[in-house]
Amino acid sequence: SAVISQKPSRDICQRGTSLTIQCQVDSQVTMMFWYRQQPGQSLTLIATANQGSEATYESGFVIDKFPISRPNLTFSTLTVSNMSPEDSSIYLCSVPTSRDSVTQYFGPGTRLTVL
Amino acid sequence: AQSVAQPEDQVNVAEGNPLTVKCTYSVSGNPYLFWYVQYPNRGLQFLLKYITGDNLVKGSYGFEAEFNKSQTSFHLKKPSALVSDSALYFCAVRDSNSNSGYALNFGKGTSLLVTP
Repeated sequence: SAVISQKPSRDICQRGTSLTIQCQVDSQVTMMFWYRQQPGQSLTLIATANQGSEATYESGFVIDKFPISRPNLTFSTLTVSNMSPEDSSIYLCSVPTSRDSVTQYFGPGTRLTVL
Repeated sequence: AQSVAQPEDQVNVAEGNPLTVKCTYSVSGNPYLFWYVQYPNRGLQFLLKYITGDNLVKGSYGFEAEFNKSQTSFHLKKPSALVSDSALYFCAVRDSNSNSGYALNFGKGTSLLVTP
């Protein structure tokens, strides 16, 4: 399985600021996914990051709030903009396996607290 | 939309006893179903999946799941629970109707507690 790392592992931020989360994979992948896990909740897909094209956002998520970059096939960033306490969540990136492109493997997550 | 439901918030089982974590699904067409486990302060780990073929799927750490089309269920099972199995378990289904076509829709999670 792919080795996925995320930076930072956790952060505490002030309301109104922005945080950029990095996701690095040890192999080239066509798609990278960004999920949010709010406290005590399940995971929700924010967007799919494709190399060389705009990210595809799911319903309820917009580019102005969660801009995504995908400069190459092993790296992506997710920015949480103009943060409010409601953005406090764990943010996880995932990638499909090389075997079947259906199963997704997840990074360790970034725990964000907004004060 | 494709969805899964986990009817139990928590399951308690004694070490050595069999465990079952329940999941039912609602999809159109053939479902792609998954189980993940989340240990405290760690990311999600993949356990097993059902795409097609044998209804009994075997996965990591001795876990297995049975796909039951008539009952629209995909329950996770293990013959003999370990204390180290205590964690949060998520059932998920691939949502081909999502904007990307690749979203995984997760259940709310079931907390498994295995007592010595």
